Amino acid sequence: GAVVSQHPSRVICKSGTSVKIECRSLDFQATTMFWYRQFPKQSLMLMATSNEGSKATYEQGVEKDKFLINHASLTLSTLTVTSAHPEDSSFYICSVPKQETYNEQFFGPGTRLTVL
Amino acid sequence: SQQGEEDPQALSIQEGENATMNCSYKTSINNLQWYRQNSGRGLVHLILIRSNEREKHSGRLRVTLDTSKKSSSLLITASRAADTASYFCATVRQAGTALIFGKGTTLSVSS
Repeated sequence: GAVVSQHPSRVICKSGTSVKIECRSLDFQATTMFWYRQFPKQSLMLMATSNEGSKATYEQGVEKDKFLINHASLTLSTLTVTSAHPEDSSFYICSVPKQETYNEQFFGPGTRLTVL
Repeated sequence: SQQGEEDPQALSIQEGENATMNCSYKTSINNLQWYRQNSGRGLVHLILIRSNEREKHSGRLRVTLDTSKKSSSLLITASRAADTASYFCATVRQAGTALIFGKGTTLSVSS
């Protein structure tokens, strides 16, 4: 069964609104989760590392005030896209490192965001 | 940031044929992994090869790693229509850190 869930799977919103995406680790606790973004026909780009109990670490070029990350518990990380614009339309995917090895990762099914 | 290139970007083959995808990377690595993504879905881990390994097998998959050339290849033997997907290599510099993905190869297997 699924190890990582994401909600919602798909969201359409108007420009200027904020959208919250949840990522849940279902099978184990995760002090670290990762958020990626994927534009059509492109690869995954790391946005940020979500850390339980501390601030997220953002990749260069990713605005921390635009993409708010909250690692509320050991099984939940949320990504909020604030004041979304059409250029934020993308596929957002979270991942959780495999607990034993911390090498391979389990990915959520992704969230398709469309901003009108 | 992305690690590097994968080639080919797109590959179309017939069922039963073998598919080979290549990946190059730029920095030193702890390990290299291959993932598969069906259209519009999440990623599924296929295989991991450590920096001190040269070849690894898993079912119909064979992965090689050449750290001197900073390259890896994924071979899928006896391909099936169900293998149609995008395949990405990803590197890890240190255990527990994020994956850095290559650009991916889109494989289409026709029956």
